[in-house]
Amino acid sequence: AQSVTQLDSQVPVFEEAPVELRCNYSSSVSVYLFWYVQYPNQGLQLLLKYLSGSTLVKGINGFEAEFNKSQTSFHLRKPSVHISDTAEYFCVSLNTGFQKLVFGTGTRLLVSP
Amino acid sequence: DTGVSQDPRHKITKRGQNVTFRCDPISEHNRLYWYRQTLGQGPEFLTYFQNEAQLEKSRLLSDRFSAERPKGSFSTLEIQRTEQGDSAMYLCASSLAVGGEKLFFGSGTQLSVL
Repeated sequence: AQSVTQLDSQVPVFEEAPVELRCNYSSSVSVYLFWYVQYPNQGLQLLLKYLSGSTLVKGINGFEAEFNKSQTSFHLRKPSVHISDTAEYFCVSLNTGFQKLVFGTGTRLLVSP
Repeated sequence: DTGVSQDPRHKITKRGQNVTFRCDPISEHNRLYWYRQTLGQGPEFLTYFQNEAQLEKSRLLSDRFSAERPKGSFSTLEIQRTEQGDSAMYLCASSLAVGGEKLFFGSGTQLSVL
C-alpha cells in the first residue's frame, strides 16, 4: 500500500522568508505525487504534480517541489512566502489507475509579518 | 466558471437522525469522489463514481452510508442513524477520466452530530 508522511504539522515563518514543507512517500510501485493547498474556507486546490519526467516540478503561486527517489521525498519549497500563503498544505499520492488520492495529514503554514 | 458545489455548507443534527448531502460536479466531469476530513487529518477516501457506476467503496463506508449518482451528474451521500463519530467535513470532488489525476474539490459540508 502506498502512503505519504508529512513530518511537520505546523510551520511558522515570517513573510518573505523561504520555506520547505517536508513529505516522504512509501510505495513499492510507480508513484504519482501531488501537493494540494486548502486556503481558509475554500476547497482544496492542486498546487503541483509529479507524474514522470523532470524531478523538479513547478506549481502555482511560486511553489516548486523536487521528487527524490533515493530519499523517497517530495518536499515543497518557496523562496519567499507571502501572508496570503497561509493555508493547509497536503502531500498526496495517487494509486495506479488514477482512481483515488491518498492524503497526508497536512502541514499548516503560518506566515506572519 | 461553475466549480464543484456542495449543499448544505453546514448541517447540525441529533444522533440517530438521517442526513443527506448533495454534490454537483463540474458538468463535463465523469468521475465523482466523496472524501471525509476530520480535524487535524487529511481527507480520507470514501467512494467514487465513474458516470453513474459506483466503482470503489472504502472500508470506512459502513452500511449506514450510501452514495448514489443516478444519472451520472449530481451525487448524494446519505448517512443513516448518525453517530457522533460521523462529525466531519464531507468533501466532494470531480475529475475527467482522462487526466483524472487533477481533482476539483467543493468547499465541503460540515456535519456536526450532537
